Amino acid sequence: QQQVKQSPQSLIVQKGGIPIINCAYENTAFDYFPWYQQFPGKGPALLIAIRPDVSEKKEGRFTISFNKSAKQFSLHIMDSQPGDSATYFCAAKRLGIQGAQKLVFGQGTRLTINP
Amino acid sequence: DGGITQSPKYLFRKEGQNVTLSCEQNLNHDAMYWYRQDPGQGLRLIYYSQIVNDFQKGDIAEGYSVSREKKESFPLTVTSAQKNPTAFYLCASSMRTGSGEQYFGPGTRLTVT
Repeated sequence: QQQVKQSPQSLIVQKGGIPIINCAYENTAFDYFPWYQQFPGKGPALLIAIRPDVSEKKEGRFTISFNKSAKQFSLHIMDSQPGDSATYFCAAKRLGIQGAQKLVFGQGTRLTINP
Repeated sequence: DGGITQSPKYLFRKEGQNVTLSCEQNLNHDAMYWYRQDPGQGLRLIYYSQIVNDFQKGDIAEGYSVSREKKESFPLTVTSAQKNPTAFYLCASSMRTGSGEQYFGPGTRLTVT
């Protein structure tokens, strides 16, 4: 119940295409859903995040769609560029012991944008 | 320049030796975290700390130890009891309240042979 399942594991898209990465969860106590972008050899960086009372959030070319009833959320990248090639992680936040804010991560998607 | 620093970037050790990874932050965050990342897997939580002199085990704490003597610092020791220590280790920090947004350091790649 603490898991976040992410798919696909890898994705190859042509430049200008719209890659879509999907995540699903079971625990309804999750209350914050961030996406992180990670380049090889670097730490993850927060890309965009959404709360479950919102169905969609856009920041630049990145959009999160959130379906609370289905317990699913997805990341869309508009007009994808080779520089978007990276590993993307979805995550979900829950409260732990003494109110600690703990993130549970999906397995990651390695995205390649071909020029 | 605010952020999280981890050192060293690469670390090599012989099997049976303990090794300590450094993590420092100047974001004035109360909470700090250590994660382990293996190829093809997500980030797994090792330990976390919400305040100085207090920390809790995460999902994979066996073979690891931490201390939190200062707000800015949260070092991780990988002990000889950790069966598969070779991995990429990430430190993160966040505010204790609010959205829970976590900021990550650049990571330390540990190789044990």
